[in-house]
Amino acid sequence: DGGITQSPKYLFRKEGQNVTLSCEQNLNHDAMYWYRQDPGQGLRLIYYSQIVNDFQKGDIAEGYSVSREKKESFPLTVTSAQKNPTAFYLCASSRSYSYNEQFFGPGTRLTVL
Amino acid sequence: AQSVTQLGSHVSVSEGALVLLRCNYSSSVPPYLFWYVQYPNQGLQLLLKYTSAATLVKGINGFEAEFKKSETSFHLTKPSAHMSDAAEYFCAVSVPTGTASKLTFGTGTRLQVTL
Repeated sequence: DGGITQSPKYLFRKEGQNVTLSCEQNLNHDAMYWYRQDPGQGLRLIYYSQIVNDFQKGDIAEGYSVSREKKESFPLTVTSAQKNPTAFYLCASSRSYSYNEQFFGPGTRLTVL
Repeated sequence: AQSVTQLGSHVSVSEGALVLLRCNYSSSVPPYLFWYVQYPNQGLQLLLKYTSAATLVKGINGFEAEFKKSETSFHLTKPSAHMSDAAEYFCAVSVPTGTASKLTFGTGTRLQVTL
């Protein structure tokens, strides 16, 4: 079955540590996205990538980094510079950046201890 | 820049009653509009989308929404609520200009269905 997988589902991190969230898709989609979800704030775009080896900052990129070395993979690193990293993180993909429908993964819940 | 406003962060209905979730948008050009549903600790699933074809859009699970340009609205409805409809619902907008199809989400409406 085609889809988007995110791992792990739950992640705990100590303050000051970097952590990487995995996102893989087998839909052959060109575009991929990372969102952060906080209660009452909806989804906010962190980074997006239109094609392999290219990515752009979204609305709240500070304290995060990404890479897009393979079409199917778009990992997100939450660095120690992110002041309030506890949140639910969602990865999405779309056929292309000009195609509007996005498909979402199941999410990773990150908790900083 | 485009935006959406969802009126009511929490809506409670009885099972079998009409569901109405409100969404108003702001956009300088004709938008694309979406409704997504999210169950606890899961990702988002597309319910339906408007992309400038028919103004009444039918989606999955018996939901539908009507695009009203004069009211800048895209409200989500379902004639009869079921317990399984309890979830959080997000309205989103994008502007189909070139490669700029970025989705902007509302803050969500949590639907509670009671017996």
